[in-house]
Amino acid sequence: DAGVTQSPTHLIKTRGQQVTLRCSPKSGHDTVSWYQQALGQGPQFIFQYYEEEERQRGNFPDRFSGHQFPNYSSELNVNALLLGDSALYLCASSLDTNQETQYFGPGTRLLVL
Amino acid sequence: AQTVTQSQPEMSVQEAETVTLSCTYDTSESDYYLFWYKQPPSRQMILVIRQEAYKQQNATENRFSVNFQKAAKSFSLKISDSQLGDAAMYFCAYRSGVWETSGSRLTFGEGTQLTVNP
Repeated sequence: DAGVTQSPTHLIKTRGQQVTLRCSPKSGHDTVSWYQQALGQGPQFIFQYYEEEERQRGNFPDRFSGHQFPNYSSELNVNALLLGDSALYLCASSLDTNQETQYFGPGTRLLVL
Repeated sequence: AQTVTQSQPEMSVQEAETVTLSCTYDTSESDYYLFWYKQPPSRQMILVIRQEAYKQQNATENRFSVNFQKAAKSFSLKISDSQLGDAAMYFCAYRSGVWETSGSRLTFGEGTQLTVNP
């Protein structure tokens, strides 16, 4: 049973560029959440997708956007990259029920120069 | 808004000994879930243990157990018979039980780096 997968594992961009990160949820899961984890800090919730719609959003600017596909996989897009966007981006999946625990992928390490 | 606080940035323990990691949280909700996640150097966030607030019994998973004090809003993790593989960053996390408004959104603490000495 495949767990949550993310691609790419590492990425280097320059300020002002745009980036797309990808996530495939654990088999059977239909809900995907994205988190940003700056170095030495706990993860911060960006947003959550269910049924191809953004259902919850954290305190992140509109430069951060996402998408969920019919097969439940998801993309995180960040426009106009800033140095402060350098972080580990984690994807987590779960079933859309109140009892379900989130399972995390290995993350994508983004470095903005 | 809910907050989670881990007041111990670093902890160390001798192999085979017991260590307790602390976590406090602030919420006005009565229905919620608490979690401990482990993040080794590989960065993969791994679920260690989960506690439902409506359950009075403390959760246990093999060598891992929690001390859940709802009135004090405290949720500590005890690791017994520590092993070298337990070395990692440990995060305490909160999830609201109000599914309609919060979904499965997690609020994390800042983490505690655990070192296990041989």
